[in-house]
Amino acid sequence: EVQLVESGGGLVQPGGSLRLSCVASGFMFSSSWMSWVRQAPGKGLEWVANIQPDGSDEYSVDSVKGRFTISRDNAKNSLYLHMNTLRAEDTAVYYCASLDASITVRGTRVFDHWGQGTLVTVSS
Amino acid sequence: DIVMTQTPLSSPVTLGQPASISCRSSQSLVDSNGDTYLSWLQQRPGQPPRLLIYKISNRFSGVPDRFSGSGAGTDFTLTISRVEAEDVGVYYCTQATQFPWTFGQGTKVEIK
Repeated sequence: EVQLVESGGGLVQPGGSLRLSCVASGFMFSSSWMSWVRQAPGKGLEWVANIQPDGSDEYSVDSVKGRFTISRDNAKNSLYLHMNTLRAEDTAVYYCASLDASITVRGTRVFDHWGQGTLVTVSS
Repeated sequence: DIVMTQTPLSSPVTLGQPASISCRSSQSLVDSNGDTYLSWLQQRPGQPPRLLIYKISNRFSGVPDRFSGSGAGTDFTLTISRVEAEDVGVYYCTQATQFPWTFGQGTKVEIK
């Protein structure tokens, strides 16, 4: 069974930093693209960033470029999101999601498994 | 950026009746390789999203066959043939043809 467990959320002041973690199990993490998606309270979904299986390449939405960094440690089956210079508008539940981890959806660019999310609140 | 527009934003449905959600993209979602990376997600209240449909019309494993997807180019539809109580939630279309990947605003399906 695929499991994605996020942690690291909390209350942080504007301008502060936070590191989110996601521990994966039940699939070949080291062979899978991974992603972070966020959802502001009562709002829709927003893609944040993707990272290649070996961590050599990443993509992110413009609003977080230069502030957020996605990374991974395949030896620990872990995905990270390093968030700096946080703003009130970054307040959201952050979900870790696998991309095409299931054999049946290889190459289809889909978020096929999701964690339960971790809440980040940016407020003074 | 590709803008994804869903209609309606709210859909009250009678149990056992069909429901249909439209998703329109501001540009064609056909990739240079010929594939169309349009998928649908369901988010039940208090839950993370769940993948329903990928590449327009393919059901993900475990998804009931009352869910179906159709469309091409810039116009896509998710159809629930007979709505059940467990289908209550918000449905999102999403495109992965071009970065940044984007989502529709979401359509809330509720029981009348």
